[in-house]
This record gives sequence, structure tokens and C-alpha cells, in this order.
Amino acid sequence: DSGVTQTPKHLITATGQRVTLRCSPRSGDLSVYWYQQSLDQGLQFLIQYYNGEERAKGNILERFSAQQFPDLHSELNLSSLELGDSALYFCASSAGDRLIAEAFFGQGTRLTVV
Amino acid sequence: AQKITQTQPGMFVQEKEAVTLDCTYDTSDPSYGLFWYKQPSSGEMIFLIYQGSYDQQNATEGRYSLNFQKARKSANLVISASQLGDSAMYFCAMRGRSNDYKLSFGAGTTVTVRA
Repeated sequence: DSGVTQTPKHLITATGQRVTLRCSPRSGDLSVYWYQQSLDQGLQFLIQYYNGEERAKGNILERFSAQQFPDLHSELNLSSLELGDSALYFCASSAGDRLIAEAFFGQGTRLTVV
Repeated sequence: AQKITQTQPGMFVQEKEAVTLDCTYDTSDPSYGLFWYKQPSSGEMIFLIYQGSYDQQNATEGRYSLNFQKARKSANLVISASQLGDSAMYFCAMRGRSNDYKLSFGAGTTVTVRA
């Protein structure tokens, strides 16, 4: 158990809908990262938050947004869903935002858009 | 920019034997971190081992060891005494300042352990 909790584990929704993925980082970790894993794109970095503030942005679509709350949990919002958004979405956490340190991953949320 | 290359899409290994997974990287950062993750068929990403670029010794964690050759920019993972449960996808990753310290991943190598 990595200590990072993601909910839900599975999500099936229709095109055009909006979903929210939730992540609770390991105790004490201030940094949260979101990744998307799809068969054709591999593991792609989406966005990072550190102690409530956005730190880095990757290949995140405008239809996607995220935030980190005061209790450090994070949510990734995906809207106007398309079939191509079907993927495994991971959250990872680490102790710092600039440290070269281990990042621990949650079990992922498998999103299927039908 | 950082780039991670894993050239072996798939490998077979006999149970109890060792296997080496290749990883080369490219970065201009003076310091960086190298990681290996395991992704079994269930999907979760499991952290295996970490090597800092300034670490003098190669990292080891149980049956996992990292063969770090800085001059060659390689960070190969060695799994000793393979077990059936080692069958999974393995990802090499790195992070450094030029990439805002986010993890950049290679394409992965699938390992299948045969009984």
C-alpha cells in the first residue's frame, strides 16, 4: 500500500459528461501529481500541485482542470468527455516540489467513456 | 528537456534467473533522480528503486538493483532470482530541474516470468 488513495477505482460514463477524480496524498506529502496513461500515449504528466498551488502543467487539455484543497487532497475534473479520454488516471504524491525524491502512486482510476 | 528510452518492449525470463531491463536517458541537468516502477496487470504503479545522480553507490532494494553508469547515461534495472509475481510492465523514469521535477517515463518493458 503506497499510502496514496484514489477514488473511484473504476468509472464508466458517456461522452459529453463531466467526472471528478479524487486523490488523497500520503500523510505529510505536500506535492500531488496527476498522470494519464493510455495505450497510445503512454504515461503523460498532466499537472502538479504543491501545498495548494499549481506548480507545473503538462499535456493537460483545457477541458480538464484540477485543484488541491487545504487538507491537501486533490481533484481532477474532466468535462465534455470524449471517447479518447478513456484511460487510467494516476495520482502521485511526494514530500516536496523541488526535491529529488520518490513519488508514490495511487492505484489509479480507470475511466471508460462510452 | 529530458528523454527516457527503454528499447526492450518485452522480455521472457525463466523463474529463479536474473533479468536486466535497459534504460538510457538524456538530460542536461547537473543533478537528477532516476526511478523504476512496476505495473502489474492490476494496474497500480509500484515504486521499486531510486538512484540519485550524485549517489556514489548503485541502489539496491531486496532483489532489485540499479546498474547506474552515469557517463553512459544508463540506469538498468536488475531483478535477481525472478519470481512469477515479477511478471509486469516496468517503467524507468527520471526527474530533474529542467522538467520542473515531474516524472518523465519511458515506454516501459513487459517482463514475463516462465515457470
